[in-house]
Amino acid sequence: DVKVTQSSRYLVKRTGEKVFLECVQDMDHENMFWYRQDPGLGLRLIYFSYDVKMKEKGDIPEGYSVSREKKERFSLILESASTNQTSMYLCASRWRDSSYEQYFGPGTRLTVT
Amino acid sequence: AQSVSQHNHHVILSEAASLELGCNYSYGGTVNLFWYVQYPGQHLQLLLKYFSGDPLVKGIKGFEAEFIKSKFSFNLRKPSVQWSDTAEYFCAVTVPSGGSYIPTFGRGTSLIVHP
Repeated sequence: DVKVTQSSRYLVKRTGEKVFLECVQDMDHENMFWYRQDPGLGLRLIYFSYDVKMKEKGDIPEGYSVSREKKERFSLILESASTNQTSMYLCASRWRDSSYEQYFGPGTRLTVT
Repeated sequence: AQSVSQHNHHVILSEAASLELGCNYSYGGTVNLFWYVQYPGQHLQLLLKYFSGDPLVKGIKGFEAEFIKSKFSFNLRKPSVQWSDTAEYFCAVTVPSGGSYIPTFGRGTSLIVHP
C-alpha cells in the first residue's frame, strides 16, 4: 500500500512565525503536490514538484515556498505565517503518468493566531 | 485555464435513494478524469477514474461514473446509497499544461445520508 505521511496532524503557530510542513511518500513517486483545503473552495494547488529539485507554482503560491531535495520528501514552507493561511494542508504523490491517481496524506490542520 | 464544476454543493438523501453527482469540465482535448472521496476524519482516496476505453467506469463500493465527451461531463452515480456513503466527493480533471499534468479539482459535494 502506498503511504503518504505528514509530519503533524494539528499545528498552532503565531503570526510571523516560519512554518515547515513535511510530507513523505514511500512508493518512489516522481510527482508530489501541496494543496490547501478550505470549506466551499475544494482543493487548491499551492505547488507541484515533478521530480527532485523541480517545482512549479500552482494556483495560490503567494506566501509559500517548497523544497524537494530527496525524491520521497516534499516540504511546504510558510516564510511568515499569517492568519489567512489558517487551513487544512494536504500533500499528495503520484506516478509520473497523468493517468495514475494521486495518493493523499492525512492532512495538517494549521491554525495561525 | 481549465475549470471543474460540481453543481451540487450539498446533497441530503435517505438510505436506498439513488445518487447522481454532476461534474463538468472546460477542456476540449484529451483528459483524465477522477472521482475522490473523503470520509469524515479520513484522507482523500480514489473512488474511480477514467483515462480511455469504455466511458462507463466502475469504482469501489458500488459507485460508477459515465464520461460523456460531447457534454464535457463525468457524473458519479450510485443506485442505492448507504449511511456509510456520507462523505465529501471531489471530481478532478488532469490535462496537459506545459509538459506537466496537473489535476484541477472541483469544489466538492458534501453528501449526507440519513439512516
